[in-house]
Order: sequence, then C-alpha cells, then structure tokens
Amino acid sequence: NAGVTQTPKFQVLKTGQSMTLQCAQDMNHNSMYWYRQDPGMGLRLIYYSASEGTTDKGEVPNGYNVSRLNKREFSLRLESAAPSQTSVYFCASTSPSGRFTDTQYFGPGTRLTVL
Amino acid sequence: EDQVTQSPEALRLQEGESSSLNCSYTVSGLRGLFWYRQDPGKGPEFLFTLYSAGEEKEKERLKATLTKKESFLHITAPKPEDSATYLCAVQDYNQGGKLIFGQGTELSVKP
Repeated sequence: NAGVTQTPKFQVLKTGQSMTLQCAQDMNHNSMYWYRQDPGMGLRLIYYSASEGTTDKGEVPNGYNVSRLNKREFSLRLESAAPSQTSVYFCASTSPSGRFTDTQYFGPGTRLTVL
Repeated sequence: EDQVTQSPEALRLQEGESSSLNCSYTVSGLRGLFWYRQDPGKGPEFLFTLYSAGEEKEKERLKATLTKKESFLHITAPKPEDSATYLCAVQDYNQGGKLIFGQGTELSVKP
C-alpha cells in the first residue's frame, strides 16, 4: 500500500514551457486535492476533486488546470509556466464518507523551479 | 473568512524542555481541526484530528487540545527527533472537505 504517490519529484522548467504533475492514490479515496506550499504562505489549495468526474477551483487556481483521470489519478497541468509558479506541489486524498475518515493524506511533493 | 494563525513561527527547545504550540482559528462551522507534522523535503504527516471543544488527543510526547477559538499542541520532554514543522488546519462545514492551513511552527530540539 503506497498511499499517495507523485511524479516527478523534481522539475526545472523555462518560462513558457508546459508540464503535467501526476498524482495517484491506492487507498480507494473519493476526494483528491492539489496544494502549493511557499515559504511564509503555508499550504494553499489550487484545485480539488470531490469525486471522480468532478473538479473545482480552490484558493489559487489561476495558471493551472486539472484532470481527474479516474478514481485513482488526479493530474495538475501548467500550460505556460511562470516564475511565480516556482513552488512545492503536494497532492492529497481523503474519503469524506464519515467524520472519522476526513483526514487528508499527503504525497511526498514535487519541487518545481521555473526559470 | 476562515483563518488560521500559528504561533510562534519558530521555537527552539533544549531536549527535555516542555512547551506548547498555538493554533488560533476563525471558522464559521468547525468540522475538524487537524495537526500535521512535516519534515524537511517531505509531505505533511497526519498527527491528530479534534472535533469539539474540550477534546484531547495524545501520541507519545504530543498532546493536542481544543477550545472554541484555539488549539494547543503540547510537547512534553521533547527529543531531537521531534524537530519538524508542525502544521495546523481547519475544516469548515460550509466548505466541504477543504482544509485551511496555518503557516506552521518550525520546532528545533537541541540535545
């Protein structure tokens, strides 16, 4: 049981390039989330998917798109990377089927630098 | 607007020196308050969930408590391996499963 996995672990892009961050979970969770973490800013929600087939914007969605490919996978795409998108990106998942299962479990992160 | 503020930003302790981390929150309807631990270069690791004022949870040297306005993470006789950033987050009934995070407290425990 790997939990939440993310690829790649590190990435360097030039301004204007595009890329997709991949996330997968093997816990049969319904909901998945993408966060970015910046120094002094804490974790901020980019997009989330409450269930397979649905996606919604979070606090900082501009410049990003997402795809909930199936129940296991949730990808984050940067169409035209900007230096302001340099950050550490975390994927998380949870299954909000009851109060004791609302914990979000996080992946190891992707460290992205945009030059 | 939901808001979470953690203090202090950084805390340095000697091994064995007990202390507390604070998480103050403003939320319209608290569904849960979460504590996570984050080691450098890693993702947040779940520690506790608290649901109602007066609730307490313990795990080894850590004890989390909750009031209507704040939560405390008490660390008793810390060890160097407790060094990490501790994150607090709240979940609002009116915001689905989304978490609102504080900025974290970076704890350093010296031997």
